[in-house]
Amino acid sequence: DIQMTQSPSSLSASVGDRVIVTCRASQSISIYLSWYQQKSGKAPRLLIYAASTLQSGVPSRFSGGVSGTNFTLTISSLQPEDFATYYCQQSYNTPITFGQGTRLEIK
Amino acid sequence: QITLKESGPTLLKPTQTLTLTCTFSGFSLSTNEVTVGWIRQPPGEALDWLALIYWDDDKYYSSSLKSRLTITKDTSKNQVVLTMTNMDPEDTATYYCVHSLYYLGRYAFDVWGQGTMVTVSS
Repeated sequence: DIQMTQSPSSLSASVGDRVIVTCRASQSISIYLSWYQQKSGKAPRLLIYAASTLQSGVPSRFSGGVSGTNFTLTISSLQPEDFATYYCQQSYNTPITFGQGTRLEIK
Repeated sequence: QITLKESGPTLLKPTQTLTLTCTFSGFSLSTNEVTVGWIRQPPGEALDWLALIYWDDDKYYSSSLKSRLTITKDTSKNQVVLTMTNMDPEDTATYYCVHSLYYLGRYAFDVWGQGTMVTVSS
């Protein structure tokens, strides 16, 4: 199975900050990487797929990048509604695997 | 508009079999490149992918749970059913049904059901 390792596991930041979350794949997964946002008690929401394609309706302050097996989710200017847990997920092959999550908290 | 809704028991005893039904609308599982899957999340833990069924009835399962899982579809009823045998307290989780967005031959989970909480306890 492909292992997805996210860092950091938790992060404190302030409104207006630029935040970067990283996800590393244990082998090459090309660009088959998605990012999700999950708020407490809610189902996850797809933010980005194909490493850098913004899902319809997602604000442009969210962006995704890739370098080799390292993927990034960047939030350019944190808004109050962005405090949540973020997960990466690979679909390069089955079994599909998720990262362990990054909890973004208010400083 | 695509919607999915999970239904099934909320409480099971150890060794029992879980049967969850996903009833969806807004798409057909007989259309090319359409898939529906199941993902679970134990309380306070990460997302855990379980199974995926394709429009052509191809099926894929979690490596660790493959022996316990079965996913089927009923296209005429717009339903997907997941069964998991020999339930254990460690299977206590919220179970989500998901629709997949198809891109470049792969999938992202673009629409999620509300989830259903399943507790396994004696």
